[in-house]
Amino acid sequence: GAGVSQSPSNKVTEKGKDVELRCDPISGHTALYWYRQSLGQGLEFLIYFQGNSAPDKSGLPSDRFSAERTGGSVSTLTIQRTQQEDSAVYLCASSSSGGPTDTQYFGPGTRLTVL
Amino acid sequence: AQSVTQLGSHVSVSEGALVLLRCNYSSSVPPYLFWYVQYPNQGLQLLLKYTSAATLVKGINGFEAEFKKSETSFHLTKPSAHMSDAAEYFCAVSASPGANNLFFGTGTRLTVIP
Repeated sequence: GAGVSQSPSNKVTEKGKDVELRCDPISGHTALYWYRQSLGQGLEFLIYFQGNSAPDKSGLPSDRFSAERTGGSVSTLTIQRTQQEDSAVYLCASSSSGGPTDTQYFGPGTRLTVL
Repeated sequence: AQSVTQLGSHVSVSEGALVLLRCNYSSSVPPYLFWYVQYPNQGLQLLLKYTSAATLVKGINGFEAEFKKSETSFHLTKPSAHMSDAAEYFCAVSASPGANNLFFGTGTRLTVIP
């Protein structure tokens, strides 16, 4: 079956511009996660959605970052007024129920470059 | 707070040699631990996970890891490296029982020398 998909695969933008990154989770998965992978660093948790519950936004680095999940499926991560330090690979993952032992299935990521 | 430390950002082994990738964790509660692999130009894929059942966990592609509470370790091993094992490997710990996100290590890049 189809895995997690993300678009675009690459995004180059100018400092100060807004960007939107999209994630399509595996069909039927109720949990969706966003992570950021910066050069030389591990994956950094950003935000978590589970069903209709309020999202866990504890990992968002600033108020320039926000995310939505419409209809319990597709999610969009928005970065406003991008900065050069936002350059990273943004990874989306989904899991069947969001439990702490659930396997998270990752998409291929969106590589964001802020000039 | 939970965290993991991966010793060695780069590891090189000869084809057929033992693979040992080190991971130590810090956790104030019994942890759930994971190893993920990222092949070039691909997304992360789960290799194996420890969920408080057996301490020796077997995963895909011949990998296994042993949870050692006394050493706070969860090292990944494979008896005989294949060229196809060349990838980046990430150790991760769940934030806490009942929490949802993972804390990842900085990764270890494995090179297999023919």
